[in-house]
Amino acid sequence: KAGVTQTPRYLIKTRGQQVTLSCSPISGHRSVSWYQQTPGQGLQFLFEYFSETQRNKGNFPGRFSGRQFSNSRSEMNVSTLELGDSALYLCASSLVYDWGLATGELFFGEGSRLTVL
Amino acid sequence: AQTVTQSQPEMSVQEAETVTLSCTYDTSESNYYLFWYKQPPSRQMILVIRQEAYKQQNATENRFSVNFQKAAKSFSLKISDSQLGDTAMYFCAFMPNSGGYQKVTFGTGTKLQVIP
Repeated sequence: KAGVTQTPRYLIKTRGQQVTLSCSPISGHRSVSWYQQTPGQGLQFLFEYFSETQRNKGNFPGRFSGRQFSNSRSEMNVSTLELGDSALYLCASSLVYDWGLATGELFFGEGSRLTVL
Repeated sequence: AQTVTQSQPEMSVQEAETVTLSCTYDTSESNYYLFWYKQPPSRQMILVIRQEAYKQQNATENRFSVNFQKAAKSFSLKISDSQLGDTAMYFCAFMPNSGGYQKVTFGTGTKLQVIP
């Protein structure tokens, strides 16, 4: 079974640009979460999607957005990039019971490392 | 809001020895999950062990076991017979088990070095 796939793995942008990151979850996993990992702030929750709906959102500005498609694949977008957005962005998928309850285990991708110059 | 605290930024252990990583958390939830995740250098994060709060019995996975003290809100990880492959960042994490929300709060991590 293929794992969580994130693309691109590495990217370099300049301030003011925007970026879109993609995540393909494990087959059958309908919940996709995004996390930002930085040396200073650690792992911070961005948002979670289930059945194409954002169920929960962390404390990030509106420049950070995401969406989920009908095949559970997810994208996140960061607009008007700032230097502080440089980070490893991790996507995690999980199996969710039919009634929407979380099973409690996240499967992570290798991440997309974003550098903003 | 939940908080997860790992007070040991770095630790080291000799190969084949035992090491314990500490974690405390704060929550008003009564039903939740606790996790330890491992992130090896330049590799993806994987789940080491999971504990459901309503279960009194401590979870174990081969050489990994936890000491879950619900009243004290403590959740430590014990690694027995440490191996070089255990060198990694270890994150303690919390997730409420309500409403289906899959929002996990992570601690700041403990960098574990296994010394040959």
